[in-house]
Amino acid sequence: DTGVSQNPRHKITKRGQNVTFRCDPISEHNRLYWYRQTLGQGPEFLTYFQNEAQLEKSRLLSDRFSAERPKGSFSTLEIQRTEQGDSAMYLCASSLVVGGEETQYFGPGTRLLVL
Amino acid sequence: AQKITQTQPGMFVQEKEAVTLDCTYDTSDPSYGLFWYKQPSSGEMIFLIYQGSYDQQNATEGRYSLNFQKARKSANLVISASQLGDSAMYFCAMRGPYFGNEKLTFGTGTRLTIIP
Repeated sequence: DTGVSQNPRHKITKRGQNVTFRCDPISEHNRLYWYRQTLGQGPEFLTYFQNEAQLEKSRLLSDRFSAERPKGSFSTLEIQRTEQGDSAMYLCASSLVVGGEETQYFGPGTRLLVL
Repeated sequence: AQKITQTQPGMFVQEKEAVTLDCTYDTSDPSYGLFWYKQPSSGEMIFLIYQGSYDQQNATEGRYSLNFQKARKSANLVISASQLGDSAMYFCAMRGPYFGNEKLTFGTGTRLTIIP
């Protein structure tokens, strides 16, 4: 299967701990997105990369959050000093832009629970 | 600012019947894209169908079709001959304008339950 993969699928951590999530996009996709989804809501945009460049960050992405895509392939999302409000599903998506149009394909997500 | 509105929190439909899920959107941009995603209980967002704002015909993908009414700013999803496996959350999303706003803006979703 060559879809978007995310690891871990589930993460339980204590408040104040740091966590890191990984996303492996569909090969040859040049864009990679991170979204956060809380219970009963649609996903909300966090940040995105074109190749290795981070082009946009949402105001939702506080300074405790950092994302990287060092070689333009996989990406990591780190949350420092986690808070209970960080509990959510973190979704990664990738896309290939063709002529200004693109479709984002999502991974299975990482469910984070902060105790 | 872009906004997506899905007014049906939940729907119950008999198996094999057709179902329409409502979506209205708000944007001042002339170029945009509209998407529907399905999210089963496992959590993965599955792409279903796409409609570009300049597309002349309504998009279709197998049992899925998108009823695009540009003047009314609506992009309803129609699922024909519903199946038990169609039970899931369905999200409408928008992207646009091209080369200017790459992120997707999602609605709050509709939970569809297919009754045997």
